[in-house]
Amino acid sequence: AQTVTQSQPEMSVQEAETVTLSCTYDTSESDYYLFWYKQPPSRQMILVIRQEAYKQQNATENRFSVNFQKAAKSFSLKISDSQLGDAAMYFCAYAIIQGAQKLVFGQGTRLTINP
Amino acid sequence: GAGVSQSPSNKVTEKGKDVELRCDPISGHTALYWYRQSLGQGLEFLIYFQGNSAPDKSGLPSDRFSAERTGGSVSTLTIQRTQQEDSAVYLCASSRDSYQETQYFGPGTRLLVL
Repeated sequence: AQTVTQSQPEMSVQEAETVTLSCTYDTSESDYYLFWYKQPPSRQMILVIRQEAYKQQNATENRFSVNFQKAAKSFSLKISDSQLGDAAMYFCAYAIIQGAQKLVFGQGTRLTINP
Repeated sequence: GAGVSQSPSNKVTEKGKDVELRCDPISGHTALYWYRQSLGQGLEFLIYFQGNSAPDKSGLPSDRFSAERTGGSVSTLTIQRTQQEDSAVYLCASSRDSYQETQYFGPGTRLLVL
């Protein structure tokens, strides 16, 4: 069975600085997707970034980038120039490519931004 | 266009009662997913619809849980004879189809069983 592990229950960072959230996963599949979702207090899960496992290039979306290490099964999220609006729960998630793409989530990391 | 909507936003019920949770996906999205978010279990998959059929019900925790989808659009998750351990946030997501498509989530329904 696929599992996703986020080893940092909580993280904090000063506004405008950079923070990295860790995620590791376990799978026997060779093709899959990895995601980072953000969940603010409103509860709505918002997609931050997505990575296809067959792509070697790390995905980037503005201030958000990932470090995808397929052999190590590691998928960390880097947030640059942190902003107060980045404060939220962040979930790492995995989905296989074939069939129903049900997401398997990690336990989440609560990110606090200090002004 | 409008995002995924869910109703009610919050629901308080007594143990043993039945509840219905509703999800309106983004228009045109053929795939629909239900997840449950609880303190003890984290975020877990419940059921997946492609159109009106549910090819994957593997996450439903017991036979008290059922779901249907009509007209390829609205979905209802029904919990019969609710138990306190059913207290959680129930999230719905939809995608254009199930293949290589991003899932967009609704705001969830917070269920509290007293």
